[in-house]
Amino acid sequence: AQSVTQPDIHITVSEGASLELRCNYSYGATPYLFWYVQSPGQGLQLLLKYFSGDTLVQGIKGFEAEFKRSQSSFNLRKPSVHWSDAAEYFCAVGVVMEYSGGGADGLTFGKGTHLIIQP
Amino acid sequence: SQTIHQWPATLVQPVGSPLSLECTVEGTSNPNLYWYRQAAGRGLQLLFYSVGIGQISSEVPQNLSASRPQDRQFILSSKKLLLSDSGFYLCAWRGEEGTAYEQYFGPGTRLTVT
Repeated sequence: AQSVTQPDIHITVSEGASLELRCNYSYGATPYLFWYVQSPGQGLQLLLKYFSGDTLVQGIKGFEAEFKRSQSSFNLRKPSVHWSDAAEYFCAVGVVMEYSGGGADGLTFGKGTHLIIQP
Repeated sequence: SQTIHQWPATLVQPVGSPLSLECTVEGTSNPNLYWYRQAAGRGLQLLFYSVGIGQISSEVPQNLSASRPQDRQFILSSKKLLLSDSGFYLCAWRGEEGTAYEQYFGPGTRLTVT
């Protein structure tokens, strides 16, 4: 079965500093990979996605992520964080599920990394 | 553009009471729809998904059920709530074929069972 590991539960970064959030996945086939951000009490917003092509993908809000097949990783990066980036970040892997002859893709999420921004 | 709505936004219910949470999607037809639960301090757990009207698949056995009476409507229900049903419930729809099948989430419903 597929799984996603986000080894850092909390990360504290100073405003203006660079950021890297780690994500490792376990999945037997070529994965679809995603990063989502969640502000307190809100739904999840898609930051970026990967399913083929260039292994360095750009997302919204200045984020980027790099897919490394050899390391089963999809780490999220940002060169300079802003106080508004404080939130919960989730990495997810998309998998194919079978249902009555059709297909549906569900997501398996990591447990999240809570990002704290210091002034 | 597509929009996803959930209501109510918050709900406080006593143990043993029924539950009905609603999710509707605008701007797309025949979407795949999903219900997730997010418990405090934990990630998201997929509860149900649906590929069409009346077609529901359950990922986790529990006292919850789901229904899809219309193409863009997805309902999460329970006949008798348990304390363990407390959490943040999120509905999502899936992107079109040819994309990365990314999912787009609604604003969520915060359920507290007392």
